[in-house]
Amino acid sequence: AQSVTQLGSHVSVSEGALVLLRCNYSSSVPPYLFWYVQYPNQGLQLLLKYTTGATLVKGINGFEAEFKKSETSFHLTKPSAHMSDAAEYFCAVTLTNTGNQFYFGTGTSLTVIP
Amino acid sequence: DTEVTQTPKHLVMGMTNKKSLKCEQHMGHRAMYWYKQKAKKPPELMFVYSYEKLSINESVPSRFSPECPNSSLLNLHLHALQPEDSALYLCASSHEHWDRASVRGYTFGSGTRLTVV
Repeated sequence: AQSVTQLGSHVSVSEGALVLLRCNYSSSVPPYLFWYVQYPNQGLQLLLKYTTGATLVKGINGFEAEFKKSETSFHLTKPSAHMSDAAEYFCAVTLTNTGNQFYFGTGTSLTVIP
Repeated sequence: DTEVTQTPKHLVMGMTNKKSLKCEQHMGHRAMYWYKQKAKKPPELMFVYSYEKLSINESVPSRFSPECPNSSLLNLHLHALQPEDSALYLCASSHEHWDRASVRGYTFGSGTRLTVV
């Protein structure tokens, strides 16, 4: 069985502070990993993804994530939070043996304090 | 065109009504998906279409009936829904081969906010 765990359903940071959103996966096969952002009343927007190659992945809006196989993690970071970063963030995984299915984490709601 | 367009954006329907949600993409994707998302929850996969054929049905009640009339369109027909079916319904599309889908990404629409009264 596989799962995606996002530690912390709510994260609050001050504007300008580091953003760290945690994602761990459990998988016995190589995963493809994604971070999506969802603003209120909107669909999901892809922030970044890891498939193969460089384990440090840069995405849109200054976000980046690092795939650490030894830790089965794919944490999302941004050096300096902006008010516009307040949103729901979902980590997701597809596995190399399950075809066209996404497995989403439970999500992390990010609040940015002025 | 790199978008998935969903209509309507908002829908209120009674429990005896029949309505349809529509989804359209022109990216040449041959895999399309319906997801249901409750507030503060992750999207839950409902259906997957590949080459206009239903490939995955995640044990969705029959009051939800998907249809894929062509490679660009995906519909979700609704009938005799319950108040607990109120949610955001998201459509997505991707390349039909999972590895290319994963590399190129899945594209989501903005969703239809459904309220059943």
